[in-house]
Amino acid sequence: NAGVTQTPKFQVLKTGQSMTLQCAQDMNHEYMSWYRQDPGMGLRLIHYSVGAGITDQGEVPNGYNVSRSTTEDFPLRLLSAAPSQTSVYFCASRGGTEQYFGPGTRLTVT
Amino acid sequence: GQQLNQSPQSMFIQEGEDVSMNCTSSSIFNTWLWYKQDPGEGPVLLIALYKAGELTSNGRLTAQFGITRKDSFLNISASIPSDVGIYFCAGRDGATNKLIFGTGTLLAVQP
Repeated sequence: NAGVTQTPKFQVLKTGQSMTLQCAQDMNHEYMSWYRQDPGMGLRLIHYSVGAGITDQGEVPNGYNVSRSTTEDFPLRLLSAAPSQTSVYFCASRGGTEQYFGPGTRLTVT
Repeated sequence: GQQLNQSPQSMFIQEGEDVSMNCTSSSIFNTWLWYKQDPGEGPVLLIALYKAGELTSNGRLTAQFGITRKDSFLNISASIPSDVGIYFCAGRDGATNKLIFGTGTLLAVQP
């Protein structure tokens, strides 16, 4: 039981490049979400999904896309990276009321 | 977006001291969660609280769900250096069912 896994752990992009942050969970949780964490801003919700085929926007969705084709996977896509997207990204999954986080992806956009 | 008011923002204490931090909200919550985040890692769930007045312990950690359902506190007794990190509260808003996070309390423990 690995819990929530994320790849890559670190990534550097140039402005305008695209990439996908991967997230997977093996707890059969229906609810998954993506957060970004910036200094002094706490955790901000980007997108979330309440089950396969269903996604919705969180607090800061602009510049990010998500899809949920399976219960296990919830990738986050940056279509055209911008320096403002430099951050640490956390994927989380929730079964019932308890939410568990992945180890994070540290992204730098130059 | 909606945020919880978490205090204090930071604490610098000596090893062996007790620590207390709290979160308050203008909304009624039906769940409170407390997390710890070590540097370079994701938040790890420490304690979950499900009903008003509930008091739950996890080793040296004790957390309580406030009677008004708008606050929660976390106590750490006899702190040790590995308690260093950022502690986050999170509450499930009863009206929207969304999980709202506090801005965190940075704890530093001097040996």
